[in-house]
Amino acid sequence: NAGVTQTPKFRILKIGQSMTLQCTQDMNHNYMYWYRQDPGMGLKLIYYSVGAGITDKGEVPNGYNVSRSTTEDFPLRLELAAPSQTSVYFCASSYSVDTQYFGPGTRLTVL
Amino acid sequence: AQKVTQAQTEISVVEKEDVTLDCVYETRDTTYYLFWYKQPPSGELVFLIRRNSFDEQNEISGRYSWNFQKSTSSFNFTITASQVVDSAVYFCALSLSGGSYIPTFGRGTSLIVHP
Repeated sequence: NAGVTQTPKFRILKIGQSMTLQCTQDMNHNYMYWYRQDPGMGLKLIYYSVGAGITDKGEVPNGYNVSRSTTEDFPLRLELAAPSQTSVYFCASSYSVDTQYFGPGTRLTVL
Repeated sequence: AQKVTQAQTEISVVEKEDVTLDCVYETRDTTYYLFWYKQPPSGELVFLIRRNSFDEQNEISGRYSWNFQKSTSSFNFTITASQVVDSAVYFCALSLSGGSYIPTFGRGTSLIVHP
């Protein structure tokens, strides 16, 4: 089992550019999450999904979009990148209320 | 709404000292789960423990132990004889058993263990 994988590991964007952060899990988990972690801060939930075709906003969804066409994949789309989106992004998955398994993170810088 | 408070922002100890990381939570639900995660300097988030609200037994795993007390809504984490490798940010989290299972994380406690 690879667990939760994220690509890319690092990325530098220019203001106004767009990109997609990829997340894949091979544990057949229904629940998937996207968090951002700013320096010295905790985790803030961006979006989550309770199953294929179902997504919902978390605490800080503005500037992001998600889709969940399969159980395995949960990509996060950044449109019109802004410096405020400079952060480390973590994808996680879980089986209902059970333990969350996190990906290794994507470090994004917007200049 | 639920809330998790980790009042200690940073703790600094010398190797071999014991250290306790505090976690206080708030929820009106009677069924919930509590978690601790570790984030070492390399950045990944590692699961340490899960506890459900009906199990107040303390847990010990090697040098790690957890004290769950519903009466004070606390789920504290103690590291005995700390080591440099314990240096990390530790997060406490709370999930409710019903609804969307969105966990609430505390802001984390940064533990620095000096040799």
